[in-house]
Amino acid sequence: GAGVSQSPRYKVAKRGQDVALRCDPISGHVSLFWYQQALGQGPEFLTYFQNEAQLDKSGLPSDRFFAERPEGSVSTLKIQRTQQEDSAVYLCASSLGDLDYEQYFGPGTRLTVT
Amino acid sequence: GQNIDQPTEMTATEGAIVQINCTYQTSGFNGLFWYQQHAGEAPTFLSYNVLDGLEEKGRFSSFLSRSKGYSYLLLKELQMKDSASYLCAVRGNTDKLIFGTGTRLQVFP
Repeated sequence: GAGVSQSPRYKVAKRGQDVALRCDPISGHVSLFWYQQALGQGPEFLTYFQNEAQLDKSGLPSDRFFAERPEGSVSTLKIQRTQQEDSAVYLCASSLGDLDYEQYFGPGTRLTVT
Repeated sequence: GQNIDQPTEMTATEGAIVQINCTYQTSGFNGLFWYQQHAGEAPTFLSYNVLDGLEEKGRFSSFLSRSKGYSYLLLKELQMKDSASYLCAVRGNTDKLIFGTGTRLQVFP
């Protein structure tokens, strides 16, 4: 497909479980962003990659959150020991890089922690 | 701190014009974006302003005043499908976007 894809689309986890959320950016896009969107709120920045380098992780809420992009393409956001407050939609976005300012968003993964 | 304000909800009638305002205070400024987000879907790009003035794209226009920290999104000839949330986002000193809470627009027949 031509767009950003994310999987799974929906994830239900019991409190304390680890989860892994995947993002496939648009082919050739250098920059990749993860955002967290709570119900009725705007997306909040979590972390940012340029190729495989994680340039900014200032938005990760705790050390239970970890993201990687080892080959500069697919990225995984991992949440360890999930808590109820982690319930949200996790959005991934990609862009070509410095000369292309538009970020293209994926459909998101809706995480529900019970 | 960094702050982006926009109204929480607005309503309008099909065929009318609506203006959604956004004010911002951020560390640095490298552009303001408007995104549309239908319930349960991904945000989709509408417009980008980095210089003062009006950018027009079909039924949608966006205005920016950097000195006032102010932008608006103007939607003309409203259609039922325009019912959605409209997100104002600013790129500050880094590449990340800082989003407002979004304005939920309901269009009535």
